Amino acid sequence: DAGVIQSPRHEVTEMGQEVTLRCKPISGHNSLFWYRQTMMRGLELLIYFNNNVPIDDSGMPEDRFSAKMPNASFSTLKIQPSEPRDSAVYFCASSRRQGGGYTDTQYFGPGTRLTVL
Amino acid sequence: GDSVTQMEGPVTLSEEACLTINCTYTATGYPSLFWYVQYPGEGLQLLLKATKADDKGSNKGFEATYRKETTSFHLEKGSVQVSDSAVYFCALSGGNQFYFGTGTSLTVIP
Repeated sequence: DAGVIQSPRHEVTEMGQEVTLRCKPISGHNSLFWYRQTMMRGLELLIYFNNNVPIDDSGMPEDRFSAKMPNASFSTLKIQPSEPRDSAVYFCASSRRQGGGYTDTQYFGPGTRLTVL
Repeated sequence: GDSVTQMEGPVTLSEEACLTINCTYTATGYPSLFWYVQYPGEGLQLLLKATKADDKGSNKGFEATYRKETTSFHLEKGSVQVSDSAVYFCALSGGNQFYFGTGTSLTVIP
């Protein structure tokens, strides 16, 4: 079975440019998570969706960040405009949320390494 | 709120040494507990999990027991290998949220 797919794997851009990261969750999973990982701040949850609906976006750093999930098999994380401090590895993860709210194991994609010059 | 606290690193061990990485949790309900591993340049991978008290999760020689009385889920391995060098994350699934610890870096030297 295919795991979580992320693209691109590496992105180098200049400050001020728009960046779009893409994620395809595991088929049948109904929860999707976006994380950011840096040496300084570790692993941070940015936003998560359940059944394509954003549930908690309190981790999104500021209005420059936005995320969408137009259907069950695709999500995007957009940064506009990008800044050097956005440089990090961005991970997407998916899971199957059970009845009663219990969230099962999260499966992570390989990540997108973003460098903003 | 729910949270996990894991032992600070980095940890450096010689090959074949015993490993323990401590993890304690705070939760209002009956969470599931996980250990994830992240090898250099890769995403996090599930290493093992336990879904209820006294359950023992195990994989690749690693073990962790869900201890409700001490609210702990310590990761153990009897004999580490160089290939175990990675960052290890303790995690908790409670309600509709997932909480990760800060990660513990392990380096195993030959």
